[in-house]
Amino acid sequence: AQKITQTQPGMFVQEKEAVTLDCTYDTSDPSYGLFWYKQPSSGEMIFLIYQGSYDQQNATEGRYSLNFQKARKSANLVISASQLGDSAMYFCALSSSGSARQLTFGSGTQLTVLP
Amino acid sequence: DAGVIQSPRHEVTEMGQEVTLRCKPISGHDYLFWYRQTMMRGLELLIYFNNNVPIDDSGMPEDRFSAKMPNASFSTLKIQPSEPRDSAVYFCASSSRPGGNYGYTFGSGTRLTVV
Repeated sequence: AQKITQTQPGMFVQEKEAVTLDCTYDTSDPSYGLFWYKQPSSGEMIFLIYQGSYDQQNATEGRYSLNFQKARKSANLVISASQLGDSAMYFCALSSSGSARQLTFGSGTQLTVLP
Repeated sequence: DAGVIQSPRHEVTEMGQEVTLRCKPISGHDYLFWYRQTMMRGLELLIYFNNNVPIDDSGMPEDRFSAKMPNASFSTLKIQPSEPRDSAVYFCASSSRPGGNYGYTFGSGTRLTVV
């Protein structure tokens, strides 16, 4: 079975500062992908970044980067230079190329950016 | 592409009534997923299809829930009869290659309220 754990229900960060959102995972599939989604108060699910289990380098997308530590089974999201518009719920999710094609989500972290 | 299209955006219905949620996936995506989001349970997979065939419906809560995908461009999730505990946001998502960096594109969701 696949499992995603996000241990931070809520986080606060000062505008322009960097913030790290934690995510650990568990899967028995050797090939898998890790995703981060942002859900603002309007409710839509916005894809942010992807990391494949065989990728040698950490993924980056603009101000988003993923700190992937395979041996520790962690895939933390780093947001640099936080903006007020970053205030939202953030979900880590796991999918595999094996039998479980669906995304399994963590419980989410509510990020609030303070002016 | 218009993305994944869900309708209606909001639905308010009385307990005992039948509710039908609709989804049009992105053209060319052969995987379609139905998720439910509640405060208590987070984002949970209800069912997913591959090439219009249901693959995993283990997340469907009970017989009151049913899902169909009659063709590659349309899927429905039906609740009959509806109950107040079915109140949630229901998301549809589609993908061309789950598990890899092709992402899962989510619709805007349907907010269901059963009174």
